[in-house]
Amino acid sequence: GAGVSQSPSNKVTEKGKDVELRCDPISGHTALYWYRQSLGQGLEFLIYFQGNSAPDKSGLPSDRFSAERTGGSVSTLTIQRTQQEDSAVYLCASSLASGVGANVLTFGAGSRLTVL
Amino acid sequence: AQTVTQSQPEMSVQEAETVTLSCTYDTSENNYYLFWYKQPPSRQMILVIRQEAYKQQNATENRFSVNFQKAAKSFSLKISDSQLGDTAMYFCASSDSWGKLQFGAGTQVVVTP
Repeated sequence: GAGVSQSPSNKVTEKGKDVELRCDPISGHTALYWYRQSLGQGLEFLIYFQGNSAPDKSGLPSDRFSAERTGGSVSTLTIQRTQQEDSAVYLCASSLASGVGANVLTFGAGSRLTVL
Repeated sequence: AQTVTQSQPEMSVQEAETVTLSCTYDTSENNYYLFWYKQPPSRQMILVIRQEAYKQQNATENRFSVNFQKAAKSFSLKISDSQLGDTAMYFCASSDSWGKLQFGAGTQVVVTP
């Protein structure tokens, strides 16, 4: 696609429910990143994919968070048993390849998650 | 490990004036890039400008320019001839060898008529 597409744009859920957030990167982009942005805060790194593998998942806050990427394209971030502190905007970005010289990240518009 | 510090939570500037946003960073990488992204109310992160650390020449992009001081680990952004559309949150970021970006806390820029 022309840009990074994320869905849903907004999600309201009840505490304890599971949620799935989807990211469709730019076609041909092999690197994919998930970030979290809490209200009024900067961006917090969650996980990075190169193809279908995740060399760096060091930012996932707990074992309730998981992510996968299939076919080197679409990625899903799953949050199980959501808590109120999970409320944030989840941003996805992709780039042509990993590595310092190649990385201009293009971001999606984000998924705003509200946990009641 | 990388850290990025933006010490100005908010900056206000009048249309057509110039504003400078500060950023300092720390990294153990030998080869890295530095970036400024803007985030308007639409939430879309937009790349403003990037600087390769091994290049001494400061990057420029139309009305946006940087002052890169490698020894001081400083990377400030100057917005010239500010426009109302420049109102946004501005984030400074550095990259590691994987291309992962470490962001600062952001500076809210408000351009007033």
